[in-house]
Amino acid sequence: AQKITQTQPGMFVQEKEAVTLDCTYDTSDQSYGLFWYKQPSSGEMIFLIYQGSYDEQNATEGRYSLNFQKARKSANLVISASQLGDSAMYFCAMREGGSNSGYALNFGKGTSLLVTP
Amino acid sequence: EAEVAQSPRYKITEKSQAVAFWCDPISGHATLYWYRQILGQGPELLVQFQDESVVDDSQLPKDRFSAERLKGVDSTLKIQPAELGDSAMYLCASSLDMNTEAFFGQGTRLTVV
Repeated sequence: AQKITQTQPGMFVQEKEAVTLDCTYDTSDQSYGLFWYKQPSSGEMIFLIYQGSYDEQNATEGRYSLNFQKARKSANLVISASQLGDSAMYFCAMREGGSNSGYALNFGKGTSLLVTP
Repeated sequence: EAEVAQSPRYKITEKSQAVAFWCDPISGHATLYWYRQILGQGPELLVQFQDESVVDDSQLPKDRFSAERLKGVDSTLKIQPAELGDSAMYLCASSLDMNTEAFFGQGTRLTVV
């Protein structure tokens, strides 16, 4: 069963606007971590932001914020003030289990974001 | 800035040949991962090391794939023999431990012809 679901294969946003990329997850663990990565056309995966399941506040990193709704099992990425360089694939990922659980990241299928002038 | 190094960046090989990829993680990172990413999909874990020990290789096709991290630092992923379906991006990542974010290398794009 798919543990991470990203329902938007592609998204468009105009420069300087905000955009939300959706991510829902499935786990029965109480302790887990949620991650967002950016993958430009060059291929490398760039870590953007992390949210722990016990974190009470939504994570923020510069223009990136994570809208974490635990009851809905969603962890949407919000990019504010979009820039042309934000055009890329975006992947949501989850690590299940507690500290040193040994579980690797489980990725969704990604959302392609295109920022237009 | 420290980064995960991978080589080669691109590799074209013929079906049934052997191919190997190399990864040097960020210094001090105990956990190392090999992921395979087929075009249009998210990365899928092939193998995870903690130091020199394999933590998870349940998704590694062991009849043709092998991975090692002999001294707990750099790692090699081998495919023998390569098949057309192995064409993909092979990504290496490392993290301080199994609970922190993983940092990825630029990947090796493999084409099997």
